[in-house]
Amino acid sequence: AQTVTQSQPEMSVQEAETVTLSCTYDTSENNYYLFWYKQPPSRQMILVIRQEAYKQQNATENRFSVNFQKAAKSFSLKISDSQLGDTAMYFCAFMKHGSGGYQKVTFGTGTKLQVIP
Amino acid sequence: DAGVTQSPTHLIKTRGQQVTLRCSPKSGHDTVSWYQQALGQGPQFIFQYYEEEERQRGNFPDRFSGHQFPNYSSELNVNALLLGDSALYLCASSLDGLLYGYTFGSGTRLTVV
Repeated sequence: AQTVTQSQPEMSVQEAETVTLSCTYDTSENNYYLFWYKQPPSRQMILVIRQEAYKQQNATENRFSVNFQKAAKSFSLKISDSQLGDTAMYFCAFMKHGSGGYQKVTFGTGTKLQVIP
Repeated sequence: DAGVTQSPTHLIKTRGQQVTLRCSPKSGHDTVSWYQQALGQGPQFIFQYYEEEERQRGNFPDRFSGHQFPNYSSELNVNALLLGDSALYLCASSLDGLLYGYTFGSGTRLTVV
């Protein structure tokens, strides 16, 4: 079974600064996908960024980028130029194809990020 | 373009009762997954529906059941509610979750008293 660990329950960052959220995972799979989701107080999970394990290049999406270290099973999220709207819970997630074609997502426990004005 | 719609948004039930939660997937999506998110925790996978069949389920008892309709909408049913079933229930839809990730609804907050 896959496990996803987020060791930082809470973090804070000054507006306009950069912050990095950590995520490690455990799997014996070789092909899988990793995601970061954001959950603001509105409760809706919003996809922030996606990384395919077979791609060595780190994914980037505007102010959001990842540092994917496959051998170390590490998948950190860097938020540059933090904005007040980035305040939310951030979940790291692991996904692979299961038997029968299903796609199960395993989530970490989340990191609560507070952006301070 | 409407995203994933869940109803109701909040619900209070008494222990032992039964509840039905509903989900309309994003237009064009054919796969629906349900997750339970306890307070302060990450979402836990309940089950996934594709072509009206339960494709896989997580470690949840048979009290949790579901259904997917021909229009891809889905229901989550929970029987014999326990206090521990109090949580946010999230529905997520996808066309190919590996390629595009999942689109989540805002959830149904279930409180069992």
